[in-house]
Amino acid sequence: DQQVKQNSPSLSVQEGRISILNCDYTNSMFDYFLWYKKYPAEGPTFLISISSIKDKNEDGRFTVFLNKSAKHLSLHIVPSQPGDSAVYFCAARKPTGANNLFFGTGTRLTVIP
Amino acid sequence: DVKVTQSSRYLVKRTGEKVFLECVQDMDHENMFWYRQDPGLGLRLIYFSYDVKMKEKGDIPEGYSVSREKKERFSLILESASTNQTSMYLCASSLRQGAVQAFFGQGTRLTVV
Repeated sequence: DQQVKQNSPSLSVQEGRISILNCDYTNSMFDYFLWYKKYPAEGPTFLISISSIKDKNEDGRFTVFLNKSAKHLSLHIVPSQPGDSAVYFCAARKPTGANNLFFGTGTRLTVIP
Repeated sequence: DVKVTQSSRYLVKRTGEKVFLECVQDMDHENMFWYRQDPGLGLRLIYFSYDVKMKEKGDIPEGYSVSREKKERFSLILESASTNQTSMYLCASSLRQGAVQAFFGQGTRLTVV
């Protein structure tokens, strides 16, 4: 049962434009949401997170928006750069338990120069 | 900075071989995880461990076993490698139960021929 879903397996965007990656979740117990970025042949690296008590968190070119009523979050990258081309994983955390991070299936972003 | 190190970046093994994938973390984290990443399937949890000698099955444990004899080291064992175990294997660690973030190793690309 996939509790975190990324319905778009891929996205292509022109350099300089906005990239919007989407993520939906089903479990209302999740209290933190994270985005990880993964380049080929490397492990995922943490990008940005948001607490469930907030609706927006910004870090440079990256902003995450959370809509709790819709159980939806999105990652905005502005402006997009070719180096942003990677697979982006959305993850959600339950506050208890050792296995408390649940990942989406990933979206491959390609930024076209 | 947390460092999670996987022993090999690339491995090629023959069908039926016993394969060991090693992972070491240097930040005294309690939790360690093994995932595999396949296109379109995202990150799937194989096994995790929340303490030395403790292990729990993840979503896809069949054909795998694990060992955690020391806190810093978590090994994934393919008892008899098969071609459907060709994949990217990712080790991760997190501080303790309820941790917000997991830290990943660089991944091991395993090919079973």
